[in-house]
Order: sequence, then C-alpha cells, then structure tokens
Amino acid sequence: KAGVTQTPRYLIKTRGQQVTLSCSPISGHRSVSWYQQTPGQGLQFLFEYFSETQRNKGNFPGRFSGRQFSNSRSEMNVSTLELGDSALYLCASSLLAGEYNEQFFGPGTRLTVL
Amino acid sequence: TQLLEQSPQFLSIQEGENLTVYCNSSSVFSSLQWYRQEPGEGPVLLVTVVTGGEVKKLKRLTFQFGDARKDSSLHITAAQPGDTGLYLCAGAHGGSEKLVFGKGTKLTVNP
Repeated sequence: KAGVTQTPRYLIKTRGQQVTLSCSPISGHRSVSWYQQTPGQGLQFLFEYFSETQRNKGNFPGRFSGRQFSNSRSEMNVSTLELGDSALYLCASSLLAGEYNEQFFGPGTRLTVL
Repeated sequence: TQLLEQSPQFLSIQEGENLTVYCNSSSVFSSLQWYRQEPGEGPVLLVTVVTGGEVKKLKRLTFQFGDARKDSSLHITAAQPGDTGLYLCAGAHGGSEKLVFGKGTKLTVNP
C-alpha cells in the first residue's frame, strides 16, 4: 500500500505570495491532518479534515486554510506569505476516528519564503 | 502552551551506550505515541501505549506509559548509529481530538 504523498517537496516563494500544498493520504484513510514544523516551535497542528469537513483547527491565523476532496486528498493554502511561514509542512493521514488517532506522515513540503 | 515536555532536548552518545528519553505532562492522555523522524522525512510511528503502567518493547527500544497516563519514557539499549534521529512523543485525549506533540529529543549516536 502506497504511503502518504505530498507535492511539491520543495518550494521557494517571496513575501506576499500565496502557496498551495497537496497531500494524498493512504488509500482508505479518511482523516488528513496538517502540521507546521520549525526548529523553534516543533510540530504544531494546523487543522484536520475528516470526510471533507474540518474537524479540528489549531491556533494559526486565517491566512492558513485547507480543504479536503471527496477522494480524501487534501490541500492547504497559505496566503500573503510571511518570512516566518518558512517551515516544513507535514501532512498525516489516519484510518478514521479511531481510538488512538495514529498518524502516518508524508515526507513533507519544505517551504522557504524570501 | 507546551503540554508535553520532552527531555533532554539533545543527546549525543557513543555506539553501544544505553539511553532514556522522557516525555512529561500535567495532563492525562488516553494514549501516547512515539515517533522517530529522520532529516528530510516525516515522522514514523514507533509505538502507541494506552494503559497506565504499560510497557512495550520493539527490539532494543522499550516504551513505558506512566501509571497516571501523564508521562512516558523511551529506553534504548546498546544504541546504534541507525538510531540517530528526532524522537517525538504525542498525546491524544481521544480519537477525535488533535494530537499534541512534544518538541522532541534529537539523538545522535556516534560510531
């Protein structure tokens, strides 16, 4: 079974631009979560989608948004990029609203904002 | 608010040594997970512990969940260079709640 895939793997943008990242979960997984990872803050939860609905949301500004499609694929969008948005963005899928919410991560998208 | 504190933040040891890393919280979790992340990759799930006092072994790795389900430890016996990576603990309050991650312990095992 193929793992979680994320595209693109690397991205360079300038301040003020917007960016869209894509995630394809493991086949059969209906929950997709997004995380931002930086050296200083570690892994921070952005949001989770389950069956095309946002189920949980972290403490990020409205510039960060996401959606999930009927095939469980997910995208996240960051508008008006800031230098501080430079990070590794990780997508994780899980089977369903299980008891343990075990996450299977993709390799991430490394975003650099200049 | 950092709900899961991991210690130490950094650990550099020689091959063959033993080590323990800790994950502590003031909150009770329904389950706690450990992940390992290598540079340029996403975290990989190692184990999930769910019962207070539970001990799980994965080859040379031993995971323990505290009796009160507020803390956990990871012990590695006879560390090898392949154990190098960032070890993350993550707590869940329930199946539908978001995972809370610690900031991780960066382990380097020198040959």
